[in-house]
Amino acid sequence: GENVEQHPSTLSVQEGDSAVIKCTYSDSASNYFPWYKQELGKRPQLIIDIRSNVGEKKDQRIAVTLNKTAKHFSLHITETQPEDSAVYFCAATSWQAGTALIFGKGTTLSVSS
Amino acid sequence: DGGITQSPKYLFRKEGQNVTLSCEQNLNHDAMYWYRQDPGQGLRLIYYSQIVNDFQKGDIAEGYSVSREKKESFPLTVTSAQKNPTAFYLCASTVTGGNTIYFGEGSWLTVV
Repeated sequence: GENVEQHPSTLSVQEGDSAVIKCTYSDSASNYFPWYKQELGKRPQLIIDIRSNVGEKKDQRIAVTLNKTAKHFSLHITETQPEDSAVYFCAATSWQAGTALIFGKGTTLSVSS
Repeated sequence: DGGITQSPKYLFRKEGQNVTLSCEQNLNHDAMYWYRQDPGQGLRLIYYSQIVNDFQKGDIAEGYSVSREKKESFPLTVTSAQKNPTAFYLCASTVTGGNTIYFGEGSWLTVV
């Protein structure tokens, strides 16, 4: 089955800096890669996703890149703000195979002002 | 997100008891999922169901049971066989074949 590794586990940046979180996956059949943001005690919220037919996707300060050959994908947050502080999770699945979304262990991002 | 309702939000279980967490969705989604989250940890898959009357075990199914008698409902029972059930439980759903997965607000289960 799918296995998703996520690094780093914690990340501290200064306000205005960029933050990068990286994930690798094991199942070459995976074709959908979402990123979630979770605040303490709340449910995860989708912030951006990418499908395997796309190499990069951007939404304002957030971007995701995908390297299918290397089986890794990354989240890039530019111009970080204190409200970006949260836990971020990557995930992977192959919808056609009917598999479930498998998550990485999360990255705790702290943005200090 | 507002289309998935989990209850109760907080639940206390005594040793040896079975408890059931409810998950209802009105999004007409085919697939439903249960995840467990421990403090400071990621989401681990317990069970999932792609269609009514069918479900599959996830990575940590031992000590849990589910049913899918209706499309909109996917209750999770935490049995006495689950020795360390204290965690945050998240139910989710999606349309089979892709698109966004939606989460409920979660249920906190504590053993007393």
